[in-house]
Amino acid sequence: NAGVTQTPKFRILKIGQSMTLQCTQDMNHNYMYWYRQDPGMGLKLIYYSVGAGITDKGEVPNGYNVSRSTTEDFPLRLELAAPSQTSVYFCASGQGANTEAFFGQGTRLTVV
Amino acid sequence: GQQVMQIPQYQHVQEGEDFTTYCNSSTTLSNIQWYKQRPGGHPVFLIQLVKSGEVKKQKRLTFQFGEAKKNSSLHITATQTTDVGTYFCAGPASGTYKYIFGTGTRLKVLA
Repeated sequence: NAGVTQTPKFRILKIGQSMTLQCTQDMNHNYMYWYRQDPGMGLKLIYYSVGAGITDKGEVPNGYNVSRSTTEDFPLRLELAAPSQTSVYFCASGQGANTEAFFGQGTRLTVV
Repeated sequence: GQQVMQIPQYQHVQEGEDFTTYCNSSTTLSNIQWYKQRPGGHPVFLIQLVKSGEVKKQKRLTFQFGEAKKNSSLHITATQTTDVGTYFCAGPASGTYKYIFGTGTRLKVLA
């Protein structure tokens, strides 16, 4: 059972480049989340989705975009990478509104 | 916006000592979750508390939800080296499905 899968695991971007972080889950969860974790810090919510076609901003959405065309996939898009976006990005999914979240292994992104 | 603070930020204990981390929210929470993140790993769900004053135990871990549902604590009895990691609380921002994570407490256990 794969759970939540994130790709890539590592990526180095140059300033101004764009990329998409992929996240897919095979648990048929409606709720999906994107968090970022700066070194030695806590997790900040970027965007979340309560179902296919529905997304909403979290605490730190600026510089990011998301889409949710299917239940399984929740990609995160960075349009113009900036050094401040250097972080570890975690995708998570949950069955319902107040249920446990299952996290992926994370994507470590460095913007230089 | 809602803030969730945890204290202490860091804690070093000798193996066998007890450990407690405290979580305080600026707003009332409908529920609170606790997660553990091992160094280099991803957060893993430990437990969810829903009721005011609720206490739950998992082996050496005791979780408590405050009467006012604005604070929570995690107590570990007789720590072991396997307890090393960062412990986060998380709760939904009022009236939303946004789960806001606390600042975390990093635990080191010295053998």
